[in-house]
Amino acid sequence: DSGVTQTPKHLITATGQRVTLRCSPRSGDLSVYWYQQSLDQGLQFLIQYYNGEERAKGNILERFSAQQFPDLHSELNLSSLELGDSALYFCASSVEGLAGAGDTQYFGPGTRLTVL
Amino acid sequence: GQNIDQPTEMTATEGAIVQINCTYQTSGFNGLFWYQQHAGEAPTFLSYNVLDGLEEKGRFSSFLSRSKGYSYLLLKELQMKDSASYLCAVPWGAAGNKLTFGGGTRVLVKP
Repeated sequence: DSGVTQTPKHLITATGQRVTLRCSPRSGDLSVYWYQQSLDQGLQFLIQYYNGEERAKGNILERFSAQQFPDLHSELNLSSLELGDSALYFCASSVEGLAGAGDTQYFGPGTRLTVL
Repeated sequence: GQNIDQPTEMTATEGAIVQINCTYQTSGFNGLFWYQQHAGEAPTFLSYNVLDGLEEKGRFSSFLSRSKGYSYLLLKELQMKDSASYLCAVPWGAAGNKLTFGGGTRVLVKP
């Protein structure tokens, strides 16, 4: 158990719908990251927040958005869902948000999204 | 940009040793991470190398050669529970705060 929690564990929805995924970081961690993992794309970085502010963006679609709240939990919003959005969505957290300084990211158990 | 290559799959016997290679190309080097991921589960941190050489942690060791853009993860005394995917990842971006993951190497341990 990494200490990072994510809800829900599974989500099944239809194309065109909107969903919200939630993440609570480890106690003491200020940075939260979101990743998408699909069979053909591997683990892809989406976006990073540090202490409530967006710090870095990866290959995140415009239909997707995220935020980090004052209590440091984060939400990832996915809208106008398409079949190709079906994937595992992971949240990770770290203390300082600086992977290049050896700041380790700890991953939550993930949310499996299925778009029908 | 950054590019990471790992073999897709490897098979080994329980009790044996397996070496998982990772080659990378990145503009600016800020260390290399190894993660283990069992199917459908979260990646878990194994090691971080930023200096050349071998770092040993129990049955797992990780090696880095910055001049060659090369790392490997060595798994000794393989156990059935080591059957998993092993991902190498390099930080990138102006602050080195984004992680790019390789496609992962699926290791199958046979009795």
